[in-house]
Amino acid sequence: QSVLTQPPSVSGAPGQRVTISCSGSSSNIGAGFDVSWYKRLPGTAPKLLIYLNSNRPSGVPDRFSGSKSGTSASLAITGLQAEDEADYYCQSYDSSLSGWVFGGGTKLTVL
Amino acid sequence: EVHLVQSGAEVKKPGATVKLSCKVSGYNFADYHMHWVQQAPGKGLEWMGLINPEDGETLYAEKLQDRVSISADTSTDTAYMELSSLRFEDTAIYYCTISRDWAFPSWGQGTLVTVSS
Repeated sequence: QSVLTQPPSVSGAPGQRVTISCSGSSSNIGAGFDVSWYKRLPGTAPKLLIYLNSNRPSGVPDRFSGSKSGTSASLAITGLQAEDEADYYCQSYDSSLSGWVFGGGTKLTVL
Repeated sequence: EVHLVQSGAEVKKPGATVKLSCKVSGYNFADYHMHWVQQAPGKGLEWMGLINPEDGETLYAEKLQDRVSISADTSTDTAYMELSSLRFEDTAIYYCTISRDWAFPSWGQGTLVTVSS
């Protein structure tokens, strides 16, 4: 059971917009700790998509955006493309555990 | 450009110890904390612990702190993760990654550890 809760799967057609939620608690996201998002393709290391809740590293398309409110965060992907099909993970820090925590991951399927 | 290159796959018996390495290049090794993350088959990412290469200070995930040890050699810009008393459920890919702005911008390629009798 992951500390951060994500839906196991989401799907969307090419060109559509999808969102992936990440629900935490008062000891992590709700405590003000920042949220990051990662994309992971099979057999490869995770790739950072969003850091500090809503910032994109250089090279990440602006189709990807992040937001945070209260004890939750969201990743939105617009203009869905076949190459977006992957597993997505949220990540934050938890003060009760004194460590970094991840969501369980969400599998995005492009229909 | 930042590079993290990990050691090769390992096969270990239950109860054994495994020690993985992660050699970095492209930045000052002491500038960023080095973390280790586990991904078991069919499971999500799990943070294991970190080391500050500058002073050697470590922090471990509660559930692993009796079995994990992270170290760093600043003379070779290499971090190490040792996991002892291996169990079947420790079969996983282990990643090293550096942190910046509370995120993990750069990752090693991963090392597969298989625990099998």
